[in-house]
This record gives sequence, C-alpha cells and structure tokens, in this order.
Amino acid sequence: EAGVTQSPTHLIKTRGQQATLRCSPISGHTSVYWYQQALGLGLQFLLWYDEGEERNRGNFPPRFSGRQFPNYSSELNVNALELEDSALYLCASRSNLGAFFGQGTRLTVV
Amino acid sequence: QKEVEQDPGPLSVPEGAIVSLNCTYSNSAFQYFMWYRQYSRKGPELLMYTYSSGNKEDGRFTAQVDKSSKYISLFIRDSQPSDSATYLCAMSLAGSYIPTFGRGTSLIVHP
Repeated sequence: EAGVTQSPTHLIKTRGQQATLRCSPISGHTSVYWYQQALGLGLQFLLWYDEGEERNRGNFPPRFSGRQFPNYSSELNVNALELEDSALYLCASRSNLGAFFGQGTRLTVV
Repeated sequence: QKEVEQDPGPLSVPEGAIVSLNCTYSNSAFQYFMWYRQYSRKGPELLMYTYSSGNKEDGRFTAQVDKSSKYISLFIRDSQPSDSATYLCAMSLAGSYIPTFGRGTSLIVHP
C-alpha cells in the first residue's frame, strides 16, 4: 500500500510569488492535515480537510489556503510568499490507526 | 506554557542502552497519544499510537501514558545507532484528531 505522497519534493520561489503544494493521502483515508516545520521549530498545524471541507485551521494568515478534491487529494496554496515561509511543509492522512505523514515539500523563498 | 512540553536534548547514549523519552501536557482533554521518529529532512514516521492510560509494546518500543499526571513516555530497548533521530510526541482530542506536537527530542546513539 502506497503511503502519503507529496509533490514537489523541493520548491524554490521568489518573495511575493505563489506556491502550490500537493498531497495524495493513503488510499481510503479521507482526512488530510497540513503542517509547517520551520528550521529549529516544531510542527505547526496549518489546515485540516475532511470529506472535501475545511474543518479547522491553525494560527496562520489567510494567504495560507488550500482545498481537498473529490478523490481526497489536497492542495496547499501560499500567496504573497515571505522569506519566513521557508520551511518543510508536511501533509498527513489519518485512519483509526493514527496520522501518517508524507516526506514533505521543502519550500525555499529567496 | 505550551500545550505539549518536550525536552529538546540532545540525549546521547551508548549502543545497547535503554532510552527514556518523555512529554508532559497541559490539556486534560487529550485522548490520543502518538510517538513519531523523524530523520533529518524527512517526514515523521509513526511509531506508536495509544488511546488509554497504561503501556503498549511493539518490538523494542514501549509507550506509556499516565493521564492522571498528564505525562507520556517512550522507552527504546537495546538502542542502535540507527535509532539516532528526533523523536516527537503528539496528542489529539477526540473528534478533531488534530495532532498537537512537542518540539521533539534529538537522540544520538553512539557505537
């Protein structure tokens, strides 16, 4: 069974641009979580999608947004990129056995 | 006070040692408890997932939850150099299941 897959692995953007990150959950999982892990910091909760709806969001500005598609894959969009947005962005999907993470997208803003 | 407190370490132990990693939390409503292992620049890997107070064992790993003290532990027996990584505790509420993470403890197992 395939795990959570994220693309791209690495992304380099210029300040002010937009970034789009993608996540495919484990087959059968309907909940997707997005987290930001900045260097030296812990995992900060960004967004939770379940059954196509945004269920909760963390303490991040509105320029962080996303959506979940009918096949339960998800997209995270970050608008008006700032240097401080440089981080590892992690996606997880959940079953009754726990939350399983992908390998992340490393976003670098220059 | 952060919801989940975890000593960042580093914790350095010799190969074969028993490792004890701990977290405390402040929200008594947390119902689910997890331990993850994260190698450098990789995604976290789920090691243990527990619901109730008590112990859960899986191979060399034992997770312990004490809800009355709001304290969880992960024990690693016969530690190996390949266990060198950052260990993250996480916990979540029933209903949302959104994991709230500690900062992680860096473990170094030297040969």
